[in-house]
Amino acid sequence: GAVVSQHPSRVICKSGTSVKIECRSLDFQATTMFWYRQFPKQSLMLMATSNEGSKATYEQGVEKDKFLINHASLTLSTLTVTSAHPEDSSFYICSARDLIAGGGKETQYFGPGTRLLVL
Amino acid sequence: GQQLNQSPQSMFIQEGEDVSMNCTSSSIFNTWLWYKQDPGEGPVLLIALYKAGELTSNGRLTAQFGITRKDSFLNISASIPSDVGIYFCAGRGQGAQKLVFGQGTRLTINP
Repeated sequence: GAVVSQHPSRVICKSGTSVKIECRSLDFQATTMFWYRQFPKQSLMLMATSNEGSKATYEQGVEKDKFLINHASLTLSTLTVTSAHPEDSSFYICSARDLIAGGGKETQYFGPGTRLLVL
Repeated sequence: GQQLNQSPQSMFIQEGEDVSMNCTSSSIFNTWLWYKQDPGEGPVLLIALYKAGELTSNGRLTAQFGITRKDSFLNISASIPSDVGIYFCAGRGQGAQKLVFGQGTRLTINP
């Protein structure tokens, strides 16, 4: 089945530094990628949607200058948390959707997540 | 953002029991999905539903797409320890890119 990878799986950084998280679709081309954030014991909250080659569409309340998203190729999207602070500590999950495969079947796959801890 | 109303929020059952959880929405969806998330991992798709009234099984799991297109349920029969985790429903509207998620149902099983 389709696989989405994320790197790193865990990262600890100092307050004020920037952290980049990579999301790759390993065996399909992802026309659309999504970035979610999940706090403990809560559901997934969509941060932004990105289509390859276009600017990301951010959800209300998500700062686009703080969470930089790049979707430069059909298999790679990156999320950069700039000037991270302790309140940015969370579980970040990417998801990739293959609209080309279609056939009426669900084609959105989730990565394993990245645990970010900002000290 | 919009969320689906998922219930129950948590369940504590004995191994071997059947489990039922459901999701409701105020708006119509064209796709209903059920995911399972283990601690520290991303969600894994269990069942996808595409038509109102559709009933689909995946092993001991059965899910249905409500006839009104505003609800769905997931049943797990004869639960086993590896069923422990958080189950999320998710829906997508006509022509929409985004999935809307439920709050999750945390399943705990006593051996």
